[in-house]
Amino acid sequence: DVQMTQSPSSLSASVGDRVTITCRASQSVGTYLNWYQQKPGKAPQLLIYATSTLRSGVPSRFSGSGSGTDFTLTISRLQPEDFATYFCQQSYSSWTFGPGTKVEIK
Amino acid sequence: EVQLLESGGGLVQPGGSLRLSCAGSGFSFSSYAMSWVRQAPGKGLEWISGTSGSDEITNYADSVKGRFTIFRDNSKKTLYLQMNSLGVDDTAVYFCVKEAEVVPTIRGRFELWGQGTLVTVSP
Repeated sequence: DVQMTQSPSSLSASVGDRVTITCRASQSVGTYLNWYQQKPGKAPQLLIYATSTLRSGVPSRFSGSGSGTDFTLTISRLQPEDFATYFCQQSYSSWTFGPGTKVEIK
Repeated sequence: EVQLLESGGGLVQPGGSLRLSCAGSGFSFSSYAMSWVRQAPGKGLEWISGTSGSDEITNYADSVKGRFTIFRDNSKKTLYLQMNSLGVDDTAVYFCVKEAEVVPTIRGRFELWGQGTLVTVSP
């Protein structure tokens, strides 16, 4: 199975900050990489699919990049509603998620 | 409204069984592959099983293979997960998820999630 890792596991940031989260796959997954946002007590929501395509309705401050084994989720200017946990997920071979990155308020 | 609504969770003893249901509405249920994803308390997400729209193709994670069975009744727009030989490690919130596109099999782009149903396995 393809193993996914994320870094950092958590971060503290302020409103307006630029935030970058990294996701790494144990083997190449091409661009079959998705990002989800989960708020406490809620189900995850798909943010970005195929590495860099924003789901309809997702603000443009979110962006994704990468290919192969290394991927990045960037939030250009953090907003109060962005404090959440973010998971990457590969959909190349079976379907595995990263352990998550919790974005907290500084 | 497009939504998924899970039910069937609860407390069960180790070795016991439980059947989860997921009712879909607001979309052409039979056109979409569906999956179950679980999340242990305070932990990450684990895809455990999926089925094609026609229910002809099913997949399982190794952690549940041979114990869990996924199936669907498209006439009732409902997805099921039959869970047998449950262990404490199966304690989790179980989410029903829908693919983003009309594709023959699971592609792993989980566009719509239910609210989840909690399964607790404890003596």
